[in-house]
Amino acid sequence: DVKVTQSSRYLVKRTGEKVFLECVQDMDHENMFWYRQDPGLGLRLIYFSYDVKMKEKGDIPEGYSVSREKKERFSLILESASTNQTSMYLCASSFQLSVSNQPQHFGDGTRLSIL
Amino acid sequence: GNSVTQMEGPVTLSEEAFLTINCTYTATGYPSLFWYVQYPGEGLQLLLKATKADDKGSNKGFEATYRKETTSFHLEKGSVQVSDSAVYFCALRVGGSTLGRLYFGRGTQLTVWP
Repeated sequence: DVKVTQSSRYLVKRTGEKVFLECVQDMDHENMFWYRQDPGLGLRLIYFSYDVKMKEKGDIPEGYSVSREKKERFSLILESASTNQTSMYLCASSFQLSVSNQPQHFGDGTRLSIL
Repeated sequence: GNSVTQMEGPVTLSEEAFLTINCTYTATGYPSLFWYVQYPGEGLQLLLKATKADDKGSNKGFEATYRKETTSFHLEKGSVQVSDSAVYFCALRVGGSTLGRLYFGRGTQLTVWP
């Protein structure tokens, strides 16, 4: 079974802090994604990556950055956390982009609170 | 562009009732369609998928048929159980220039009462 592991289930940080959310997958997937999930808004794509050191902005990249130094690991960085970044963050991975019928596999999420 | 519209919840049903959650889409290109489920406190799990017109995806008693003519992918189950209580997301994926990203609907909360 595909395993996507997010480093923390719950995280509490303070405004202005630099926050790192880590995600690791064990299926040699080329693609990795970061979403945030908010009530009534569904899932919104923040950033994704289709290869090591490659990244693409999603729909709401402002205030975030990402890092992919190794194929299995994709990090989301909140450069200076703000209260409006309090949310559930979900990481996902999938096989290569050219195969449209490949599903994404999700981690269990990190519930981040910014105080 | 690419987008998914699904019926708003919450949906509340009694056990053994029939479930339909509507999903329609717009897509550039030929999409694959997915239903994901999110149980409380968990991430999303793939429930079923369909990759071409008239395909029927099925899993755990849930079904959805890819209808190209109506651009729809409605989720159905004949007899729901309390354990089906979750949030359901419809999604599409188009290959090529979109880099394989998924486009999600906003989710439909389902609560099933005994």
